[in-house]
Amino acid sequence: GESVGLHLPTLSVQEGDNSIINCAYSNSASDYFIWYKQESGKGPQFIIDIRSNMDKRQGQRVTVLLNKTVKHLSLQIAATQPGDSAVYFCAENLGIQGGSEKLVFGKGTKLTVNP
Amino acid sequence: EPEVTQTPSHQVTQMGQEVILRCVPISNHLYFYWYRQILGQKVEFLVSFYNNEISEKSEIFDDQFSVERPDGSNFTLKIRSTKLEDSAMYFCASSLVRRGGEQYFGPGTRLTVT
Repeated sequence: GESVGLHLPTLSVQEGDNSIINCAYSNSASDYFIWYKQESGKGPQFIIDIRSNMDKRQGQRVTVLLNKTVKHLSLQIAATQPGDSAVYFCAENLGIQGGSEKLVFGKGTKLTVNP
Repeated sequence: EPEVTQTPSHQVTQMGQEVILRCVPISNHLYFYWYRQILGQKVEFLVSFYNNEISEKSEIFDDQFSVERPDGSNFTLKIRSTKLEDSAMYFCASSLVRRGGEQYFGPGTRLTVT
């Protein structure tokens, strides 16, 4: 079936360390993946996305890695800051050819950055 | 930076009452969505809307739910007869592309059904 899950519900890191948040997906037909950040009381905020024809994509302080062989997605945050504390969700979509518009979300990982 | 807005931020209603949640998508976007998030759970897709009609809906989106774009800027979600289990955060989103593209989310409306 189609589902997206996260390995760890919580992650605590020291300020300045690098953070890695993981996500497993089960639908091998998914073509597009997004990482969202959700702060308390706010809606999901786009961080970075990646298509299935790529293995890695970098943004500002963030990198997303996609391993299609094991259906695994990760978000790496460099030099984590207190402002990075939030819940992080991965989401998948079947993409342009997939015939579905919905994003399927994982349960979320709560990242806490300790000063 | 353009953003999706939603009103109200919090709605309290009694079971059986009708509620309308309102959204103003980003002005040049063509595709609109509603999602919900029950406390502590995943964000779940409800419905997508394009060209004044529903293009996709989930099994959650039953006959109690309806969506409408009453004018050129607003996008609404109506729940005709609310149930306790409808209590959740409801997020509106919009996008430029239909599939395989970023969906921009609003801040959400917290619906509490008593």
